[in-house]
Amino acid sequence: QKEVEQDPGPLSVPEGAIVSLNCTYSNSAFQYFMWYRQYSRKGPELLMYTYSSGNKEDGRFTAQVDKSSKYISLFIRDSQPSDSATYLCAMLKAAGNKLTFGGGTRVLVKP
Amino acid sequence: GAVVSQHPSWVICKSGTSVKIECRSLDFQATTMFWYRQFPKQSLMLMATSNEGSKATYEQGVEKDKFLINHASLTLSTLTVTSAHPEDSSFYICSAFPGTDNNYEQYFGPGTRLTVT
Repeated sequence: QKEVEQDPGPLSVPEGAIVSLNCTYSNSAFQYFMWYRQYSRKGPELLMYTYSSGNKEDGRFTAQVDKSSKYISLFIRDSQPSDSATYLCAMLKAAGNKLTFGGGTRVLVKP
Repeated sequence: GAVVSQHPSWVICKSGTSVKIECRSLDFQATTMFWYRQFPKQSLMLMATSNEGSKATYEQGVEKDKFLINHASLTLSTLTVTSAHPEDSSFYICSAFPGTDNNYEQYFGPGTRLTVT
């Protein structure tokens, strides 16, 4: 069993819809939770990070962490075609440690 | 924001030759750098962790004699793929960690696409 599980998709939504992404993890040692966006043939770009359980909002993005259920989510409101990319969740046990990535979810926002 | 560059962005080499990929942190010092490889439609797979001035720590299954990593300064790490084979063709990405207080973020480079013919 992988430490971090993520549905590979693809997830296709119409423009303006809410995109809902999630990951589950098995190791309770993970303390930091990130969401990255990766366009084809580019390096990952950090979108959101959270440390504690609860919600964090930044513009159109909302990240949720439920440590008791070992479940994290990312919501993208008012999705745009430019949001079409692969979204990777990643987790960290401590600063400077290696990131553990989920498999990534491909998202396609159709105009 | 912090910037990490990689050079080259794209390289083609013949089977049996060696290729060096550079990873530079342009506006900060990186105590730790990470090297990943990514196959099409797959996630990033960590290859090794390198700390400035010390030997890299390789993940299980990664051949350290084939993938040579040098972290000679706080702003530069290099990955050399030795005796490259077509199966080494992949997207190689580095990330850099500043190591400053309360900063856990790792900054990713744009990646290097290696094609071995």
